[in-house]
Amino acid sequence: EAGVAQSPRYKIIEKRQSVAFWCNPISGHATLYWYQQILGQGPKLLIQFQNNGVVDDSQLPKDRFSAERLKGVDSTLKIQPAKLEDSAVYLCASSLGPMDLYEQYFGPGTRLTVT
Amino acid sequence: DAKTTQPNSMESNEEEPVHLPCNHSTISGTDYIHWYRQLPSQGPEYVIHGLTSNVNNRMASLAIAEDRKSSTLILHRATLRDAAVYYCIPTSYGKLTFGQGTILTVHP
Repeated sequence: EAGVAQSPRYKIIEKRQSVAFWCNPISGHATLYWYQQILGQGPKLLIQFQNNGVVDDSQLPKDRFSAERLKGVDSTLKIQPAKLEDSAVYLCASSLGPMDLYEQYFGPGTRLTVT
Repeated sequence: DAKTTQPNSMESNEEEPVHLPCNHSTISGTDYIHWYRQLPSQGPEYVIHGLTSNVNNRMASLAIAEDRKSSTLILHRATLRDAAVYYCIPTSYGKLTFGQGTILTVHP
């Protein structure tokens, strides 16, 4: 079974530029998550999709971050404009359904460096 | 969200058992207790989860206190590949809230 795919693996941009990350979840997984992990901290949930609808985006900085999941499969996370504090690893995860009963499968992440 | 307390770090020798404790005294009655681990430069990986009873799987065992205010993840024979950050996460409404976790070092 193929895992969660993410691209790119690494990205370096200057502040005020924009960047987009892509995630392809495990086939058949209805729930998709984006997390931000700053160095030395645990991952923080940014947004959760159930199929192509948003379930929770309470911690997404909506003035600069946006995410979409078209057709309930792939997802993109965009930052525009980027700030220095956005330097982090962005993790995508998917699960068969909402978390309590189902485990989340994480991708390898995209490491973003903002200079 | 329930607050958790885990040791910042623990050490073990290869092939010895490891007991990783977690205190979650504010857990609600319906919260599951999940454990994930994160190997260096990788995304987190599911280990095990439970509600009230002790649980076993191929990776580990989870012992949950009768009052559910604490739990212990047990790795029966640590290997070098088990060196990782281990996160104990009570889940509310299906939401994973990661804390700092415990850094496990395994010595050969």
